[in-house]
Amino acid sequence: SQWGEENLQALSIQEGEDVTMNCSYKTYTTVVHWYRQDSGRGPALIILIRSNEREKRSGRLRATLDTSSQSSSLSITAAQCEDTAVYFCATGAGAKLTFGGGTRLTVRP
Amino acid sequence: EAAVTQSPRNKVAVTGGKVTLSCNQTNNHNNMYWYRQDTGHGLRLIHYSYGAGSTEKGDIPDGYKASRPSQENFSLILELATPSQTSVYFCASGGGLGGSSAETLYFGSGTRLTVL
Repeated sequence: SQWGEENLQALSIQEGEDVTMNCSYKTYTTVVHWYRQDSGRGPALIILIRSNEREKRSGRLRATLDTSSQSSSLSITAAQCEDTAVYFCATGAGAKLTFGGGTRLTVRP
Repeated sequence: EAAVTQSPRNKVAVTGGKVTLSCNQTNNHNNMYWYRQDTGHGLRLIHYSYGAGSTEKGDIPDGYKASRPSQENFSLILELATPSQTSVYFCASGGGLGGSSAETLYFGSGTRLTVL
């Protein structure tokens, strides 16, 4: 799982496999953002789940949120090589948005 | 497509010098943010703003100042740069109606700062 000052974690999977990345957060949040960052670029939002939602889907992506355990997950179904990137969760209440340490996902052909 | 432009893209500064990183957004977003990203780590929040004239401290504000003179512009200022501030800096803007973080953040391409 990823949070705050934690170092970047790494996952390597084979193309076609499913993968789940976890995020735990420490303070009250009204929303969990999931971003992906490609090399040399700024992060880009891929899915956003609000505190009144338990699950959100977008194409091959599925995000879950469990406010009681203060955790969220991002799953990618049938990963493709182009899914290789760094994935971050971010949480916040009010305007302040804090990012987790990130997961570097490598999808091997 | 939302647009966030950072300048400069690369900057080399000397220890003790003053550095200003600039960010402009054309999205009419309320909230703007400055993050730094160090190799092998996530993004850490330095300062953020709810709107023109507002600046708020993030998680690592020491050694940095911020300025939001207008809706479109948000600057990060290092009055006395140190080598530990060598990093990649990202600016972002978000709709955030009512000061909320519940809307998409749009990031610039980053500024790579090296302090010698």
